[in-house]
Amino acid sequence: GDSVTQMEGPVTLSEEAFLTINCTYTATGYPSLFWYVQYPGEGLQLLLKATKADDKGSNKGFEATYRKETTSFHLEKGSVQVSDSAVYFCALSDLSGGSNYKLTFGKGTLLTVNP
Amino acid sequence: SAVISQKPSRDICQRGTSLTIQCQVDSQVTMMFWYRQQPGQSLTLIATANQGSEATYESGFVIDKFPISRPNLTFSTLTVSNMSPEDSSIYLCSVRQGNSYNSPLHFGNGTRLTVT
Repeated sequence: GDSVTQMEGPVTLSEEAFLTINCTYTATGYPSLFWYVQYPGEGLQLLLKATKADDKGSNKGFEATYRKETTSFHLEKGSVQVSDSAVYFCALSDLSGGSNYKLTFGKGTLLTVNP
Repeated sequence: SAVISQKPSRDICQRGTSLTIQCQVDSQVTMMFWYRQQPGQSLTLIATANQGSEATYESGFVIDKFPISRPNLTFSTLTVSNMSPEDSSIYLCSVRQGNSYNSPLHFGNGTRLTVT
């Protein structure tokens, strides 16, 4: 079945540091890939997505490139801010999920950015 | 994107009781889902709420424990029945706008349930 593997957290960075959160996946089909962010006390928000190989999703300074050859979708940001402190989830949606196309999530990575 | 309202936002309940969580969307959506997020864990799909028919449950979840209603395309409820402390979680309603697997899910803010 489908699965998503994220780097273990927590990740603690200083403001303006470079961020990478690794995400790899296994899927039976040709999935779409997503990053979601969950700020403290809130639900999940879509951060970015990519639907085919070599697509780059970007939003709020975050980027991730769909790498089919390495089955990866790593999240990056060049300069993090304190306000980026949150839990980040990598997820995929695949035709193998049936007509519901459910999302399969990674375990999440807690990011803390210190001033 | 759709605006999703969930209530209650949090509750503390006693063992053996039941809680019904409501999810209201500001536009008609085809697909609605209920997820559970246990403390410090990722999201697990409980079921797909189908309009006008019985919900589709994932492995490990059953209708007697998590009955779901979906009377129309903008509203759904999830009931957590005969609760135990193990049911303490965040329960999240989500919707997909569009019928493609490329379409992302949008989430409500969740219901934080504590069972004592």
